[in-house]
Amino acid sequence: AQRVTQPEKLLSVFKGAPVELKCNYSYSGSPELFWYVQYSRQRLQLLLRHISRESIKGFTADLNKGETSFHLKKPFAQEEDSAMYYCALRGGTYKYIFGTGTRLKVLA
Amino acid sequence: DTGVSQDPRHKITKRGQNVTFRCDPISEHNRLYWYRQTLGQGPEFLTYFQNEAQLEKSRLLSDRFSAERPKGSFSTLEIQRTEQGDSAMYLCASSSKGPNEQFFGPGTRLTVL
Repeated sequence: AQRVTQPEKLLSVFKGAPVELKCNYSYSGSPELFWYVQYSRQRLQLLLRHISRESIKGFTADLNKGETSFHLKKPFAQEEDSAMYYCALRGGTYKYIFGTGTRLKVLA
Repeated sequence: DTGVSQDPRHKITKRGQNVTFRCDPISEHNRLYWYRQTLGQGPEFLTYFQNEAQLEKSRLLSDRFSAERPKGSFSTLEIQRTEQGDSAMYLCASSSKGPNEQFFGPGTRLTVL
């Protein structure tokens, strides 16, 4: 079965500290992985996807097939990074599976 | 505003009533998705349209739920005989061919009393 696990509901870090939001998935084939972000009072929006291998707003995520993980990282957190982050998987169909989300709070 | 729009933004109804939500995708997008999101959860896939064809539907979706996209443009999601467990945020998203980036609407918050 396809599943996305985000083990942390809340992650608090101080401004300037490194951030790592964890995402593990379960899928037998080759999935597409995404990170979506929802800032306060805004719509859910795509942050990045693994096939692009790009850095967006200083965030990167590497797909580790051995560990079935797609953790989101940023070396220096900013206050404007405070938001809800969702990891999502698309595996072979049109169906996207989202994790339960992690709320990131960056403290001044 | 050229983004995805949803109407209404809020709906309060009594148990047993039928409700219908509308989604207007970005105009050139041929793919349309419906999701449901409850408190503390991520979006849960409900159904997917490519143009007017409904290509995938979640097995979790009971037969009280139906969705249409009659001309491949806007879509409607109807819930018949609503139950309190249907209370949730209903999200619509659209995308074009290729990179699969979904653009989400603001959602319709349903409260069933």
